[in-house]
Amino acid sequence: EAGVVQSPRYKIIEKKQPVAFWCNPISGHNTLYWYLQNLGQGPELLIRYENEEAVDDSQLPKDRFSAERLKGVDSTLKIQPAELGDSAVYLCASSINKGPQFFGPGTRLTVL
Amino acid sequence: DAKTTQPPSMDCAEGRAANLPCNHSTISGNEYVYWYRQIHSQGPQYIIHGLKNNETNEMASLIITEDRKSSTLILPHATLRDTAVYYCIVMMGQGGSEKLVFGKGMKLTVNP
Repeated sequence: EAGVVQSPRYKIIEKKQPVAFWCNPISGHNTLYWYLQNLGQGPELLIRYENEEAVDDSQLPKDRFSAERLKGVDSTLKIQPAELGDSAVYLCASSINKGPQFFGPGTRLTVL
Repeated sequence: DAKTTQPPSMDCAEGRAANLPCNHSTISGNEYVYWYRQIHSQGPQYIIHGLKNNETNEMASLIITEDRKSSTLILPHATLRDTAVYYCIVMMGQGGSEKLVFGKGMKLTVNP
């Protein structure tokens, strides 16, 4: 069974530029999560989707971050414009029927 | 804030059992204990979870005390590839609809 797929794995951009991350969850998983992990810290939830509906986006900085999950499968997380403090690893996870969450490898973002 | 307490680090000899402790004295009756680990530069990996009874799978065993205030993750025959940061997390429900709140975790180093 294929795991959670994320792309790109690494991204380097200059501040004020836009950036987007893509996630393909495990087939059939109805719940999708985006987490942010700063260096030396544990992951923190940004947004959770149940199918195509964002049911918890309370930790998403909505002034510059946006996300979508069209058709309830793949998801995209966008930052516009990026700031130096956004340098981190962005993790996507998925689960089915309230089971354990399975994580992708993450996208490491560096903002210069 | 994380609801669990783990020692910051632990060493284990290769081939020996690794017993990873976790305190969760404020756990409520409907909260599960989850264990994840994160190997350097990878996304968190689900290991095991339980509510009251001890659990075992192909990766590890989870021993939960009768009062549920603490638990131990057991890796029966640690290998060098088990070196990682291990996170003990308590969460309501079966886990799929709640966010994982990661603490600092515990760094396990398996030595040859």
